[in-house]
Amino acid sequence: GDSVTQMEGPVTLSEEAFLTINCTYTATGYPSLFWYVQYPGEGLQLLLKATKADDKGSNKGFEATYRKETTSFHLEKGSVQVSDSAVYFCAHPTQGGSEKLVFGKGTKLTVNP
Amino acid sequence: DTGVSQNPRHKITKRGQNVTFRCDPISEHNRLYWYRQTLGQGPEFLTYFQNEAQLEKSRLLSDRFSAERPKGSFSTLEIQRTEQGDSAMYLCASSLFGTRLNEQFFGPGTRLTVL
Repeated sequence: GDSVTQMEGPVTLSEEAFLTINCTYTATGYPSLFWYVQYPGEGLQLLLKATKADDKGSNKGFEATYRKETTSFHLEKGSVQVSDSAVYFCAHPTQGGSEKLVFGKGTKLTVNP
Repeated sequence: DTGVSQNPRHKITKRGQNVTFRCDPISEHNRLYWYRQTLGQGPEFLTYFQNEAQLEKSRLLSDRFSAERPKGSFSTLEIQRTEQGDSAMYLCASSLFGTRLNEQFFGPGTRLTVL
């Protein structure tokens, strides 16, 4: 069935460090892929998305490339800031029907000054 | 522009009590989803509506749970005879089905604590 596997956290980095959060998925077909971010006390916000193989989603300095051959969608940022501290979720919709989102467990990122 | 809103933001209740949450989606969105998020986990699908029709329910949605979207606008999620295991964040999302991406926009959630 559909599933998403994310690297386990928590991840603690110093400001300006390089960030990678790994995500792999299992799905029927080739769904769109998403990264959501959840700041403390808030709901989920869509961070970036990719709709087909080799697409690169980007936003706020974050990037992720849809890799069909490795079924992966790793999140990267070249230089993190304290304000990036949050929980990051990788997700994809099921195909057809509800198109409900299937999420990974989330990776908590803490960036220290 | 108003996004998805949820009320209340926090609810503390005693075991055995009934609770009801409300979700107001983005006005033109025809789909509305409910998810549940427990500590340290990603959100899990509970149910969804297209307009006023409830089209799918997860096995997570026991018979103590009921959801409605009576006029295809706001939705309510009721939990009867709450149990401690119901403690979680309940998230609502809405989308405009028929667009290419069917992107879901989330509300801030209602955090339920059952004592």
